[in-house]
Amino acid sequence: QLQLQESGPGLVKPSEALSLTCTVSGVSINNNNFYWGWIRQPPGKGLEWIGIIYYSGSTYYNPSLKSRVTISVDTSKNQFSLKLSSVTAADTAVYYCARRKYYDFGSGFYDDSWGQGALVIVSS
Amino acid sequence: DIQMTQSPSSLSAYVGDRVTITCRASQTINSYLNWYQQKPGKAPKLLVYGASSLQSGVPSRFSGSGSGTDFTLTISNLQPADFATYYCQQSYSAPDTFGQGTKVEIK
Repeated sequence: QLQLQESGPGLVKPSEALSLTCTVSGVSINNNNFYWGWIRQPPGKGLEWIGIIYYSGSTYYNPSLKSRVTISVDTSKNQFSLKLSSVTAADTAVYYCARRKYYDFGSGFYDDSWGQGALVIVSS
Repeated sequence: DIQMTQSPSSLSAYVGDRVTITCRASQTINSYLNWYQQKPGKAPKLLVYGASSLQSGVPSRFSGSGSGTDFTLTISNLQPADFATYYCQQSYSAPDTFGQGTKVEIK
């Protein structure tokens, strides 16, 4: 059964970097049918896509965050990770990792499995 | 970025009601529209993809329709488990974007 689990510090100081890891179980992250991504949700607000990674290491980031985001993959551990640098209070959110499946070339995808989410608070 | 606008932002309904939520895109997105359900403290759950394809395991009382810029999610025979917030997401062009959500509450 597919499971995704986020892990990492729940409290980060302003100007520092936020780092989270998503551990995938039940399917190999090497599966060429899927991408792996991060989405966040500030408390009481809507969803914001952060970026995705393919098992090969190819990445696509939200332009609004691109200068601060790095997503990486460790296929030997079946994990992928998020690093967001220079955080501010505006980065306080629940961070979700998710599996993305494309059903049409170039467009047409959905996020069909999500982790439970990790709340990260940015505060001194 | 493509802007997604949902209406209404919230609604109250009785168990057994038929509920319709609308999502409008700022430009055409063909049929690249997904719907998710989110309950408090939980991750979103995929309900519908490609505007009208029901995700495996999702009850048939959920249905999606639309193409171009206007889309709807319909819940027929609303059940207690359906009280949640619903989000649309466009998967036509990067960055993918979500609507602001529609909260379905018990009347």
